[in-house]
Amino acid sequence: DAKTTQPNSMESNEEEPVHLPCNHSTISGTDYIHWYRQLPSQGPEYVIHGLTSNVNNRMASLAIAEDRKSSTLILHRATLRDAAVYYCILRDSLHGSSNTGKLIFGQGTTLQVKP
Amino acid sequence: DAGVIQSPRHEVTEMGQEVTLRCKPISGHNSLFWYRQTMMRGLELLIYFNNNVPIDDSGMPEDRFSAKMPNASFSTLKIQPSEPRDSAVYFCASSLTSGNYNEQFFGPGTRLTVL
Repeated sequence: DAKTTQPNSMESNEEEPVHLPCNHSTISGTDYIHWYRQLPSQGPEYVIHGLTSNVNNRMASLAIAEDRKSSTLILHRATLRDAAVYYCILRDSLHGSSNTGKLIFGQGTTLQVKP
Repeated sequence: DAGVIQSPRHEVTEMGQEVTLRCKPISGHNSLFWYRQTMMRGLELLIYFNNNVPIDDSGMPEDRFSAKMPNASFSTLKIQPSEPRDSAVYFCASSLTSGNYNEQFFGPGTRLTVL
């Protein structure tokens, strides 16, 4: 699985936008970019995923660079409940024939949100 | 939907004892994953099943660890004998393998302490 690089930690003020970067310079053409987050004392939860085009959902937006070597998770208005560890993960969409969705988690970015 | 159910939520045991962790995946999901999370090593995939069959157990630390999935609605992770270094939070996750969209849903975890 291709490797991702994220800052260890970031801070944000409540109700301001947050841009969480992720570098994946060795990404292959078939790798999807997934973001999960882990709130304190909980299991990880899915946030968003994309392949080439920018993606939006109710939780966040995902901006993918044209060369796909980096991406940015955007929280449009951070709340205190968004304080979590955010993981950027690459998953090969053509992994074998089983396509079981195996995810390899890195250390992620710990986001602190200040009131 | 009850989500992924794990039991027990907390387990404290003494070194050498057998420990059994249980997981009930979301109904209809056909992939199940066991993860372990520690401060030192982060979130590690131990083993995953697809259609009740173990696909990749390369993350299982050693022979003391074993996992089974006797049917689509139940899985166990057993440690025998347990050691203090096995202390961690163990997460179970499930997903519906369908094309390239395999969002994983995580349970609340079992916090294991081996004295």
